[in-house]
Amino acid sequence: EAGVTQFPSHSVIEKGQTVTLRCDPISGHDNLYWYRRVMGKEIKFLLHFVKESKQDESGMPNNRFLAERTGGTYSTLKVQPAELEDSGVYFCASSHRKVAGADTQYFGPGTRLTVL
Amino acid sequence: AQTVTQSQPEMSVQEAETVTLSCTYDTSESDYYLFWYKQPPSRQMILVIRQEAYKQQNATENRFSVNFQKAAKSFSLKISDSQLGDAAMYFCAYRSAQGGSEKLVFGKGTKLTVNP
Repeated sequence: EAGVTQFPSHSVIEKGQTVTLRCDPISGHDNLYWYRRVMGKEIKFLLHFVKESKQDESGMPNNRFLAERTGGTYSTLKVQPAELEDSGVYFCASSHRKVAGADTQYFGPGTRLTVL
Repeated sequence: AQTVTQSQPEMSVQEAETVTLSCTYDTSESDYYLFWYKQPPSRQMILVIRQEAYKQQNATENRFSVNFQKAAKSFSLKISDSQLGDAAMYFCAYRSAQGGSEKLVFGKGTKLTVNP
């Protein structure tokens, strides 16, 4: 079974440009999460999809960030326009939907974003 | 809001020895889940062990075990018979058991070095 994959692995862009990150969850996982780790700080939650619906987007920092999950499969996270403080590693995770209990979140390798 | 604190930015251990990584958390909730994740260099994060707060028995997974002290809000990870492959960043994480919130709250991580 393939794990969570993310593309690209690295991205270097200029301030003001646009970047789109992609995440492919494990097949059959309805839950998809985005997290971010800024250098030297904690991994922070951004948002949570259940299929194509946004369940929780309380962690999205501002309206420069747009996440989509069309068809409930892969997800994209667009940053437009990028700012210096957006640099960090963006992680995607997925889990199987369960009625109760905390299902394991499986993480992708992350996308390292550098904004110059 | 819940917080997770890992007070040891770095730890080292000799191969075959035992090491304990510390984690404390702050919450007003009575039911929740706690996790330890491991991220080896240049590889993706994987779940090491999980603990349900309602369970008094400490979780164990082979050489990995936890010391869960609910009253003290402490959740340390013990690695026995350390191996070179245990070298990684270790993240402690919290998840509420209340409905509607599935996000993980992470600590800053502890970098573990295993010396041969």
